[in-house]
Amino acid sequence: GDSVTQTEGQVALSEEDFLTIHCNYSASGYPALFWYVQYPGEGPQFLFRASRDKEKGSSRGFEATYNKEATSFHLQKASVQESDSAVYYCALIGRPSGSWQLIFGSGTQLTVMP
Amino acid sequence: GPKVLQIPSHQIIDMGQMVTLNCDPVSNHLYFYWYKQILGQQMEFLVNFYNGKVMEKSKLFKDQFSVERPDGSYFTLKIQPTALEDSAVYFCASSPRWGQDTQYFGPGTRLLVL
Repeated sequence: GDSVTQTEGQVALSEEDFLTIHCNYSASGYPALFWYVQYPGEGPQFLFRASRDKEKGSSRGFEATYNKEATSFHLQKASVQESDSAVYYCALIGRPSGSWQLIFGSGTQLTVMP
Repeated sequence: GPKVLQIPSHQIIDMGQMVTLNCDPVSNHLYFYWYKQILGQQMEFLVNFYNGKVMEKSKLFKDQFSVERPDGSYFTLKIQPTALEDSAVYFCASSPRWGQDTQYFGPGTRLLVL
């Protein structure tokens, strides 16, 4: 079935460090791919999406490129800030049982130290 | 971005009682969803809803669960009777269109069943 894998459960960085969070997916066709960010006590906030091979999504300095060959959608940011500390979820929209639904990865807790 | 509201933010209830979780979706959205997140675990799809009907439900959507949106008011998730394993955060989401459209999430209702 459709699935999303995030390899890093936790990432700890200092301010101005470069960030990469890895996301790989398994699905047929061209699923839309998403990044959501979740702050403590809040729901997932849509960050950006991409819908076709080589499309780049971006928002607030974060970006990711849809790579169909590698089945990846890795999140990157050139210079993180303390305010970026949150849980980041990669997700895809699939139809594992006929109806569209978001399928989330397990999430990556990003902690940025001043 | 678009705002989804959820009421209440927290609910503590005795096992066996009924609980209703309320969601106020984005005003021009037509498709509604419930997701469940147990502490420390992945977010999982429960059900989606359109035009007064359940479109699809997952195996997590037990017979004790029901959803409705009477006359354009709140989109509700009712659990009757509740069980200990229903303790989780329940997130409502909505999207304007069907298919691979972006879903926007509310802040969640934290349900504790004692």
